[in-house]
Amino acid sequence: EAGVVQSPRYKIIEKKQPVAFWCNPISGHNTLYWYRQNLGQGPELLIRYENEEAVDDSQLPKDRFSAERLKGVDSTLKIQPAELGDSAVYLCASSSNRDFTYEQYFGPGTRLTVT
Amino acid sequence: AQTVTQSQPEMSVQEAETVTLSCTYDTSENNYYLFWYKQPPSRQMILVIRQEAYKQQNATENRFSVNFQKAAKSFSLKISDSQLGDTAMYFCAFSATSGTYKYIFGTGTRLKVLA
Repeated sequence: EAGVVQSPRYKIIEKKQPVAFWCNPISGHNTLYWYRQNLGQGPELLIRYENEEAVDDSQLPKDRFSAERLKGVDSTLKIQPAELGDSAVYLCASSSNRDFTYEQYFGPGTRLTVT
Repeated sequence: AQTVTQSQPEMSVQEAETVTLSCTYDTSENNYYLFWYKQPPSRQMILVIRQEAYKQQNATENRFSVNFQKAAKSFSLKISDSQLGDTAMYFCAFSATSGTYKYIFGTGTRLKVLA
């Protein structure tokens, strides 16, 4: 079974430029999460989807961040314009609410460097 | 609001020895899960062990076990017979099983296993 796929793995951009991250969750997982992980810190939730609905986006900086999960499968997270403080690893995770384990499966992350 | 606290930023242990990582949490929920996730250097995060709050018996997975003290809101991870491959960041996490289902991670403990 394929795991959570993320691309790109690394991205270097200049500040004020746009950037987008893509995530494909494990097949059949209805819940998808985007996290931001700063160096030496734990993941912080940005947005959680149940199928195609964003059910928790309270931590998403909506002035510059946007996300979508069309058709309830893969998802894209966008930053426009990027700021120096956005440098971090962006993690995507997925889970199934049908197994009642509440375990999340993580992708390898996208390391973003804003210069 | 739920919080998860890991008070040990870094720890080290000799190979084959035993080490315990600490985690405390705060919640008003009655039903929840607690997790320990492992994030090896430059690799993706994986689940180590899971504990359901309604179970009094401590979870065990091979060399990994937890000491779950519900009244004290404490959830420590014991790694027995430490191996070099255990070197990683370890994150304690909390998930409510109702309401917002919000997942909260601690700040992590960097564990280094010494040869």
